[in-house]
Amino acid sequence: GESVGLHLPTLSVQEGDNSIINCAYSNSASDYFIWYKQESGKGPQFIIDIRSNMDKRQGQRVTVLLNKTVKHLSLQIAATQPGDSAVYFCAENSGYSTLTFGKGTMLLVSP
Amino acid sequence: NAGVTQTPKFQVLKTGQSMTLQCAQDMNHNSMYWYRQDPGMGLRLIYYSASEGTTDKGEVPNGYNVSRLNKREFSLRLESAAPSQTSVYFCASTPLYQNTEAFFGQGTRLTVV
Repeated sequence: GESVGLHLPTLSVQEGDNSIINCAYSNSASDYFIWYKQESGKGPQFIIDIRSNMDKRQGQRVTVLLNKTVKHLSLQIAATQPGDSAVYFCAENSGYSTLTFGKGTMLLVSP
Repeated sequence: NAGVTQTPKFQVLKTGQSMTLQCAQDMNHNSMYWYRQDPGMGLRLIYYSASEGTTDKGEVPNGYNVSRLNKREFSLRLESAAPSQTSVYFCASTPLYQNTEAFFGQGTRLTVV
């Protein structure tokens, strides 16, 4: 629930703006990355994934960018809506490990 | 399809009590996971089962045990609950062990007093 968001970095945007949420990952061997959205009181939901042989992948209103050189992942949400308000997590995986999750960013969208 | 189903949704325990959190998936996934989520900590892996018949420790296994009952079900047991185990617990499953999307249950909010 809302307790998940305590002490998290927060991004506040206006409805209709584009949002960019960033994530730094630690394992240079990671070759698979996922973005999850978690609404209050619910489990994480898959948004989009990307493999390390790509640097960009687009979905519906979302784009994930991967920069392996600096181990950075970003999630871009176009025309952000109030329903996009949630905590967003990145997760990384390599062939030798289970998914490792970042601490999350809270996105707040104002009407 | 229900996906991943966890029971119970809420639980309050007294210190020292035991309980088992249940998880079942109906997607024929091979791998299942238990995570805990604390404020500002993200999701931390407690135990996982890469395939039926195997279980392994994750990042924070102390105080927990697991059972992969069959391909569908993966339970998490707290033998002697402690206040430090107050958390939200999530079960997840993946088709394969690695490099695939994880599907999550709705969570169990556990309070130990």
